[in-house]
Amino acid sequence: EAQVTQNPRYLITVTGKKLTVTCSQNMNHEYMSWYRQDPGLGLRQIYYSMNVEVTDKGDVPEGYKVSRKEKRNFPLILESPSPNQTSLYFCASSPQTGPHNEQFFGPGTRLTVL
Amino acid sequence: ILNVEQSPQSLHVQEGDSTNFTCSFPSSNFYALHWYRWETAKSPEALFVMTLNGDEKKKGRISATLNTKEGYSYLYIKGSQPEDSATYLCAFHTGNQFYFGTGTSLTVIP
Repeated sequence: EAQVTQNPRYLITVTGKKLTVTCSQNMNHEYMSWYRQDPGLGLRQIYYSMNVEVTDKGDVPEGYKVSRKEKRNFPLILESPSPNQTSLYFCASSPQTGPHNEQFFGPGTRLTVL
Repeated sequence: ILNVEQSPQSLHVQEGDSTNFTCSFPSSNFYALHWYRWETAKSPEALFVMTLNGDEKKKGRISATLNTKEGYSYLYIKGSQPEDSATYLCAFHTGNQFYFGTGTSLTVIP
């Protein structure tokens, strides 16, 4: 089944404890992206990747890191999480980088930082 | 940061009513406009990707129009059904980045 998977789906952690949220797609998509969703705000792009080894900052990259060493994986790393990073996170991918390519979203990861 | 606005914020309609909502976006340097449907406890799913001024797209009872010169897109739902209840998101695509509106939450009352 073509899909985007994220792990973990739920995570409660404490301030300063490094964590990684994994994202993987099995559709051979070139473009991948991370978003966060907060109440009253739209989905905000954290980082995106146009292809392997190419990553760029979105609107809200502070406190996050990403890597794209393989086409299928795009992990989101929080080196020192803080309570203001408590949010719902979505990973998404799309086939290419052209205008007609819709994004396919993962199931979401709900992160709570205490 | 680009400003993408959606209105209304929420909407309650009776089953069978037709409804529409608006997405406003910058009219300069247009690349593409996406519409997504987001049901509670699920992930957003693509409805339409629109790229040309005057574009009209249709999927069943849902359709969308695009005006890139004035910077708006309308989403229409004809004969709303309870299963149409969801949040409808639009996203302005710059070619690299996506800028989402805050969505219109639609509740269809049986």
